[in-house]
Amino acid sequence: ETGVTQTPRHLVMGMTNKKSLKCEQHLGHNAMYWYKQSAKKPLELMFVYSLEERVENNSVPSRFSPECPNSSHLFLHLHTLQPEDSALYLCASSQGLQGAEGYTFGSGTRLTVV
Amino acid sequence: EDQVTQSPEALRLQEGESSSLNCSYTVSGLRGLFWYRQDPGKGPEFLFTLYSAGEEKEKERLKATLTKKESFLHITAPKPEDSATYLCAVYSGYALNFGKGTSLLVTP
Repeated sequence: ETGVTQTPRHLVMGMTNKKSLKCEQHLGHNAMYWYKQSAKKPLELMFVYSLEERVENNSVPSRFSPECPNSSHLFLHLHTLQPEDSALYLCASSQGLQGAEGYTFGSGTRLTVV
Repeated sequence: EDQVTQSPEALRLQEGESSSLNCSYTVSGLRGLFWYRQDPGKGPEFLFTLYSAGEEKEKERLKATLTKKESFLHITAPKPEDSATYLCAVYSGYALNFGKGTSLLVTP
């Protein structure tokens, strides 16, 4: 275990469904991130939260809605997704936005949109 | 625009056959170059941070080096358990910007 826990590990959803991904960190970090990882592509940054405030929204479609209720929890709410949204969604945390040890990642949620 | 390019895309080595992975970067003001290892079905795992040209860091069979334009991850006498995807990243804006990775397979 890395100290960053993501649930569920796998999710299959229809294009009209609404679901949420959850991330919890037990490291005392104060910044959290969502990344999307698709085959043959680099990790794509989606959202950055620092001290529970969103500091970056990387041109992500509105069908993805993040929520950070406190420094330990991060959610990604999903609705009306498209098949091209199928990917591995990774949550990460760090101490500060540009820490020397980079990020600690969770194991990801494998999302399939049908 | 900040860019991170990794090569080769895939590498197959025999156990004990040393080699190097390359990460070239273009960034305005380097604030750290990071190497991660990612196993199938898992998130990336932190390996090294390098900050300045000439810096080197080692961990078991891995050694990372940095120049002003690129970083190398040298793998000495690899074992099958070193098989994984190796990612490099630099800070760009608020967050880490990753390359596509090098998929390494070490066969017995």
